[in-house]
Amino acid sequence: DVKVTQSSRYLVKRTGEKVFLECVQDMDHENMFWYRQDPGLGLRLIYFSYDVKMKEKGDIPEGYSVSREKKERFSLILESASTNQTSMYLCASSFGRALDTKNIQYFGAGTRLSVL
Amino acid sequence: AQSVTQLGSHVSVSEGALVLLRCNYSSSVPPYLFWYVQYPNQGLQLLLKYTSAATLVKGINGFEAEFKKSETSFHLTKPSAHMSDAAEYFCAVTGFGNEKLTFGTGTRLTIIP
Repeated sequence: DVKVTQSSRYLVKRTGEKVFLECVQDMDHENMFWYRQDPGLGLRLIYFSYDVKMKEKGDIPEGYSVSREKKERFSLILESASTNQTSMYLCASSFGRALDTKNIQYFGAGTRLSVL
Repeated sequence: AQSVTQLGSHVSVSEGALVLLRCNYSSSVPPYLFWYVQYPNQGLQLLLKYTSAATLVKGINGFEAEFKKSETSFHLTKPSAHMSDAAEYFCAVTGFGNEKLTFGTGTRLTIIP
């Protein structure tokens, strides 16, 4: 089974702190994604990576950055956390080498971040 | 550009009744369509996908969805609801060979005993 692991289920941080959300997948997937999930808004893509050290902005990248130094790990960074970044963050990965599988995403359990 | 619209943010059905969750899509290319389910305190899990083969797609846990191009719809159904079906359901769309999915806003399904 594909496993996507997010390092924290719950996180509480203060405004202005630098926050790291970590995600690790164990299936040698090329593609990795960070979403935020908010009630009534569904999932919105923050950043996407299709290879090590490669990244692409999603729909809402402002206030976020990402790092992918190793294939299995994709980190989301909030440089200076703000209260409007309080949300559920979901990481996902997909197998990128075949056209018919690269759009099947496997999700982690999520990190619920509260910024006070 | 692609988008999906899920009609009804909350749906309640009685145990044993038909489940119908609605999804309409917009796509400038032939779409690939997905339904994902999210159980409480978990990530999303793939229920089923349409990738231009059969228009009636069967998924896990007795769910199925029918692709109707003329109606630009991909509604999710299950003949008989079970208490364990209580969850949030997301419809998503992409194009062939595209890694990125566009998700709908979700429908929370409640099962009434």
